[in-house]
Amino acid sequence: QKEVEQDPGPLSVPEGAIVSLNCTYSNSAFQYFMWYRQYSRKGPELLMYTYSSGNKEDGRFTAQVDKSSKYISLFIRDSQPSDSATYLCAMTPGPYNFNKFYFGSGTKLNVKP
Amino acid sequence: NAGVTQTPKFQVLKTGQSMTLQCAQDMNHNSMYWYRQDPGMGLRLIYYSASEGTTDKGEVPNGYNVSRLNKREFSLRLESAAPSQTSVYFCASSGQTNEKLFFGSGTQLSVL
Repeated sequence: QKEVEQDPGPLSVPEGAIVSLNCTYSNSAFQYFMWYRQYSRKGPELLMYTYSSGNKEDGRFTAQVDKSSKYISLFIRDSQPSDSATYLCAMTPGPYNFNKFYFGSGTKLNVKP
Repeated sequence: NAGVTQTPKFQVLKTGQSMTLQCAQDMNHNSMYWYRQDPGMGLRLIYYSASEGTTDKGEVPNGYNVSRLNKREFSLRLESAAPSQTSVYFCASSGQTNEKLFFGSGTQLSVL
């Protein structure tokens, strides 16, 4: 069983839709959770970063962490064609765990104009 | 602010050839990493350097060597390239508390 599971998609939505991207994990030690956006032929770009459970909002993006269910989500409101990319979730037990970043395999999102 | 810079962006090698991938960061980060990304496999850690002067193996180190040249630079060397090393390689760095990674733009490597 993988440490982090993520639906690979692809997910295709019309412009303006609300998008929900999700990851599940098995290790209860994870404390820090990240979402990366990766455009084609580019490096992953840190989009959202959350510590422990709760919500974090940044513009059209909201990250949610439910540690009791071992489930994290990224919501994109009013999605735009420029949001078309692969979204990777990542998590780590905490600081100083240098080799303990775990990544989902990525969900490919296509926002149609 | 350049962040993490990798060179080259593209490279084609023949089996058995050697090459070095270069990485530099300007964020004064202590820790640096090399990952490879393959379809269906996600990101896998090859080597990392927790601080200047130290390096350690990650999940898939076979066939690779690394050098932490100074705090800014971390290179990845393929001594004898194999087709199984065809991949996209990413360098990353993290700050003192190491709870988030910042990636470079990647090197697309093909080994024929």
